[in-house]
Order: sequence, then structure tokens, then C-alpha cells
Amino acid sequence: EVQLLESGGGLVQPGGSLRLSCAASQFSFTNYAMTWVRQAPGKGLEYVSSMESVSSITGSGGDTYYADSVKGRFTISRDNSKNTLFLQMNSLRAEDTALYYCARVLRYSGTDYPDYWGQGALVTVSS
Amino acid sequence: QSALTQEVSVSGTVGQKVTLSCIGTSSNVGRFGVGWYQQISHGSPKTVMLGNSRPSGIPDRFSGSKSGTIASLTISGLQPEDEADYYCSTWDSSLDVRVFGGGTKLTVL
Repeated sequence: EVQLLESGGGLVQPGGSLRLSCAASQFSFTNYAMTWVRQAPGKGLEYVSSMESVSSITGSGGDTYYADSVKGRFTISRDNSKNTLFLQMNSLRAEDTALYYCARVLRYSGTDYPDYWGQGALVTVSS
Repeated sequence: QSALTQEVSVSGTVGQKVTLSCIGTSSNVGRFGVGWYQQISHGSPKTVMLGNSRPSGIPDRFSGSKSGTIASLTISGLQPEDEADYYCSTWDSSLDVRVFGGGTKLTVL
């Protein structure tokens, strides 16, 4: 069974930084795009960022995408040797307070779908 | 305001058929398949539909369809355990981001 385990959440002051990690197991991490989705308290799901897979042969791929609300402040990255996805979050704001989910992205019939989800990492931005 | 429009709430009785809708545009729902995600009591989302295909382990009472820029999730034979929040999502080729609906709260009476 696919497993995704987020870590690195916590309480941080406005303007501070935090780095989330998502440890993946039970699937070939290298071959999948990955995504971060967040959920503010009492709110719906909100897209944060995604990163495509990187070809182990050519080294190509790895395109990244960001929601406008985090562009320029958050950076998504991955370490395929450690089967881990990261989200570096800088210049944090109160509105970034949320549960951050890591999800695997499955390409099926020409469309990318998050299919497996982690349990989430809570980020609280407050003074 | 969410890029995809869903009903705020839907209710039905046990055994009834209910349909949840997800309205988008030609750059998202009209162009790509739509995923549906179930969230029970604020737990982690669970994927219940990938376009019109059910992931392994999802009961066959769940079905997905799409017509133009409207996607639908139908639950035939509603069960108490289906009570949850349901979100639709797909990629938007104009915005180059994933978009979500605001979610539908499904209540089983």
C-alpha cells in the first residue's frame, strides 16, 4: 500500500520559515509527479504546488507549478534518492495556517490526478 | 471563490441515489478528467473517482461522468458511511494550476 508521511509542521511567527517533508514508500517515487494541497481550518482543499517526475535517464522533467498565493515564497523540491518530497516555506503569513497534505499524482487517460494522500502536517503561523 | 462550483450541501436517505455536480470551464473540466475526493470528519482526503474510473476498493455504487464543462459524481444506494465532504478537482490549462471545488457536504438522513 502506498504510504506518504508528512513531517516538519509546527508553530512559526509571521515572516518565518518552515520546511515540510513527505516521505514516500511502497511505490516507485521517481516515476510520479507529486503535489502539496492545504486545508485551512474549517475551509476546503486548496492547491499549493506540484512537481513533475524527473527522468532518471535523461534528467529532464521536474517542472514545478505554484498557486499564485504562494509563488515567490514557497519552493517545492524532491530527493529521489531518499524518496522524499519537500516544501520550503518562507515569508510565512497568518493565512498560510493550514493542514498541508502531500499527495501522489497519477497520470490516467491524459489527466493528472492526486490519488494517494498523506495524513497531513499542521502549520500554524502566529505571533 | 473556488474555480470549480459545487453545491454547498446535498442530502439523501439510505438507499437513495444522489448526484453531486462540479461546474467548470473549457480550460479545466471541459478539457481534463475530474477527480473526486471524499473527506470524512476532516480526515485525510480519499480518492473515490478518477474521471469515470473507480480506484481499487471503492464500492461500485460510486460512478463518475462528465458532459461538457459539468462533471458529476453519482452515488447509487446511499449508505450511512457515505456521509462526508466531497471535493472535485482537475488541472486548469489557462492558469497552469490545479483547481478545486469548494466542496459539497453530503448528509445521509
